[in-house]
Amino acid sequence: LAKTTQPISMDSYEGQEVNITCSHNNIATNDYITWYQQFPSQGPRFIIQGYKTKVTNEVASLFIPADRKSSTLSLPRVSLSDTAVYYCLVGDGLGYNTDKLIFGTGTRLQVFP
Amino acid sequence: NAGVTQTPKFRVLKTGQSMTLLCAQDMNHEYMYWYRQDPGMGLRLIHYSVGEGTTAKGEVPDGYNVSRLKKQNFLLGLESAAPSQTSVYFCASSLWGLNSYEQYFGPGTRLTVT
Repeated sequence: LAKTTQPISMDSYEGQEVNITCSHNNIATNDYITWYQQFPSQGPRFIIQGYKTKVTNEVASLFIPADRKSSTLSLPRVSLSDTAVYYCLVGDGLGYNTDKLIFGTGTRLQVFP
Repeated sequence: NAGVTQTPKFRVLKTGQSMTLLCAQDMNHEYMYWYRQDPGMGLRLIHYSVGEGTTAKGEVPDGYNVSRLKKQNFLLGLESAAPSQTSVYFCASSLWGLNSYEQYFGPGTRLTVT
């Protein structure tokens, strides 16, 4: 079971960089790491996905060490609109193993002015 | 391109009543999913489908049935609603393929069972 562990909550201030770490000790060779963002009363939204090293897009960066047992989502210069719940998922995307389609409770990020 | 849409947005049921939630996607995605989300909790997978005419059980399937008669639609049925099924229901879809875990979610249906 590709279980993930994240902090329950984090606080930050506008303009700071936020790093949310996810632990996934049982990650399998074919598994990718995917992060979602969810605002209140909305469905989750895909942020970023990666397999190893570093991935960057217009929204965030994802850092994955060589052993892939953890990953860190980095949000540069957060704003109030980044207040949301962030979920880390680990899986191969084929959908055959639903034990990997587990969102968990995520990390609740609160950004203050 | 509407993405993933869900009908209805809100619904109140009495215990024992039945209803069907409709999910539609216009992205030609093979995979579709139904999740429920209880207050302060993450999403839990109810049922999913890997293609037209297929369905499979997820983490919490009891009390729900699904059908995928058309590729673009995924229906979630509650035959005899119970208060424990009060929740927000999200539908999602994704492309088939290895290493693709990008799911597109609908806006959700808020269901209250009294």
